[in-house]
Amino acid sequence: KAGVTQTPRYLIKTRGQQVTLSCSPISGHRSVSWYQQTPGQGLQFLFEYFSETQRNKGNFPGRFSGRQFSNSRSEMNVSTLELGDSALYLCASSLTGRWSSGANVLTFGAGSRLTVL
Amino acid sequence: KQEVTQIPAALSVPEGENLVLNCSFTDSAIYNLQWFRQDPGKGLTSLLLIQSSQREQTSGRLNASLDKSSGRSTLYIAASQPGDSATYLCAVDNNNDMRFGAGTRLTVKP
Repeated sequence: KAGVTQTPRYLIKTRGQQVTLSCSPISGHRSVSWYQQTPGQGLQFLFEYFSETQRNKGNFPGRFSGRQFSNSRSEMNVSTLELGDSALYLCASSLTGRWSSGANVLTFGAGSRLTVL
Repeated sequence: KQEVTQIPAALSVPEGENLVLNCSFTDSAIYNLQWFRQDPGKGLTSLLLIQSSQREQTSGRLNASLDKSSGRSTLYIAASQPGDSATYLCAVDNNNDMRFGAGTRLTVKP
């Protein structure tokens, strides 16, 4: 079965612009979570969506937002981009979220690498 | 605030050697702990998940242990192979607060 698909894989933006990243989960998975990975801060949790509702949110400013559609596909948006937003953005899907459960192991996509100039 | 630390940051071993990766956390009130591997430029692959009520989990050549009272987890890799070369991350769930370690970069030399 198809894995988690993230688009675009690479993109370059300039400061002040906004960006939208897309994540298509594994078929049947209803939870999508997003993460930011940078050399300085490592991997950090952004937010999790389940059935079109945001269930958990990490410690990021309001410039970072997301949504989930009825088909479980998810998008995240970053507005007013800053240089520090340059990162690899990863999404992961699982059956019912609460990645804590052994029955709902996270499956990650390959990521979207954002460069802000 | 949960802090997750992984030691060592990098490790290089010859093929066939057994090795241990370490993960420590400051808040023992965890829901579970999970180990991942990440290959360069790629996403994460889940290896093992240990629930807070468990002491260890095994999958093939991998064994992960959890000691909540001391705030430690170890990932044991037996008979290492060059294909094991990757960055290994541990992640701790404090019930809606997920924290990742910085990872251990493992190189297994043929």
